[in-house]
Amino acid sequence: GQQLNQSPQSMFIQEGEDVSMNCTSSSIFNTWLWYKQDPGEGPVLLIALYKAGELTPNGRLTAQFGITRKDSFLNISASIPSDVGIYFCAGQGGSNYKLTFGKGTLLTVNP
Amino acid sequence: DADVTQTPRNRITKTGKRIMLECSQTKGHDRMYWYRQDPGLGLRLIYYSFDVKDINKGEISDGYSVSRQAQAKFSLSLESAIPNQTALYFCATSDGSSNYGYTFGSGTRLTVV
Repeated sequence: GQQLNQSPQSMFIQEGEDVSMNCTSSSIFNTWLWYKQDPGEGPVLLIALYKAGELTPNGRLTAQFGITRKDSFLNISASIPSDVGIYFCAGQGGSNYKLTFGKGTLLTVNP
Repeated sequence: DADVTQTPRNRITKTGKRIMLECSQTKGHDRMYWYRQDPGLGLRLIYYSFDVKDINKGEISDGYSVSRQAQAKFSLSLESAIPNQTALYFCATSDGSSNYGYTFGSGTRLTVV
């Protein structure tokens, strides 16, 4: 089946730093999504990407749909303590709209 | 009220016991999913249902069963719980006609002792 490789697995950064994470796949996806999971909660959708090459902002977050349709990137600028959590990428590549998830990136922000 | 509600939020049970985790949604979505989350392993799909009469196994269905009682309700059962089923369990829903992703519940933390 389809698999997503998400990296890095974890990051420890200082408040104010910028963050980048990415997902790659051997398969083409039609849609890429990025979720954030706060501690003790379920994942919440941050950004959805529908077109190759698309760059979509959401406040301090920006996500990009790779031109090959096999990768996606999420950047967070000027991190703050509430950015702490697990970030998941997800891809949708079939007609049934079922998602494939990456294993997540655990982000820790030191104040 | 939350769009996707999971009960209980936390549960401790003994090895060999039968346990049911419940999920209800007010999104009006046809599709519902059960995932398991373990540290470092991400979200793994246990079962999914595209409508009331449709049930499909996911990648880790062994030891689990599900019931789709109505469009809004999807339950996950562990017939005989074992310690390695200790995990965080999430229910999710989606509208199969769009690309707007899934809506997740807040999760059930299950501990099998």
